[in-house]
Amino acid sequence: DQQVKQNSPSLSVQEGRISILNCDYTNSMFDYFLWYKKYPAEGPTFLISISSIKDKNEDGRFTVFLNKSAKHLSLHIVPSQPGDSAVYFCAAMGRGADGLTFGKGTHLIIQP
Amino acid sequence: DVKVTQSSRYLVKRTGEKVFLECVQDMDHENMFWYRQDPGLGLRLIYFSYDVKMKEKGDIPEGYSVSREKKERFSLILESASTNQTSMYLCASSSPGPGGNQPQHFGDGTRLSIL
Repeated sequence: DQQVKQNSPSLSVQEGRISILNCDYTNSMFDYFLWYKKYPAEGPTFLISISSIKDKNEDGRFTVFLNKSAKHLSLHIVPSQPGDSAVYFCAAMGRGADGLTFGKGTHLIIQP
Repeated sequence: DVKVTQSSRYLVKRTGEKVFLECVQDMDHENMFWYRQDPGLGLRLIYFSYDVKMKEKGDIPEGYSVSREKKERFSLILESASTNQTSMYLCASSSPGPGGNQPQHFGDGTRLSIL
């Protein structure tokens, strides 16, 4: 059973517009959520994270929103730029040193 | 910047061989992880370690073992390689941090092909 779900395998957005990537989770023990960006033939790069005690975290063009009651988080990128084209992974973890549980990824394509 | 280095970008091995994948991090992180990434499956945790000589099974440990003799180095071992272990292998490290959770930082991966 998938504990972290990214239901959109791909998303196409026009340059300059907002990109919204969604992620749902089922495990109530998760309390830390992250977004990673991955280019082909490279490792995932950490983008932004949010703790369960918050509902929003912002870093430049990237904002992550967490809705604990709905077990849903989203990543907003505004404005979208061509270099944002990549696969985005949502990940979650509980307390301690356990590894991350990843979604299957969403391929974001920014169109000129 | 955190640097996680995986010794090989590409590796080709034969079925039945014993395969070693090496990972080194330069940030004195306590925690290290091995994942594999497969198309349509995302990243899945194989093993992790939160201290020297300590190891914990992840979600898919079967067919793998690990070794952590030094804090900066975490090795993944395929005891007898099989074709279903053809995959991209990713190493990561993190520090517990004052808040308990810190992001993991990844290497660039080793694309392993088992023939």
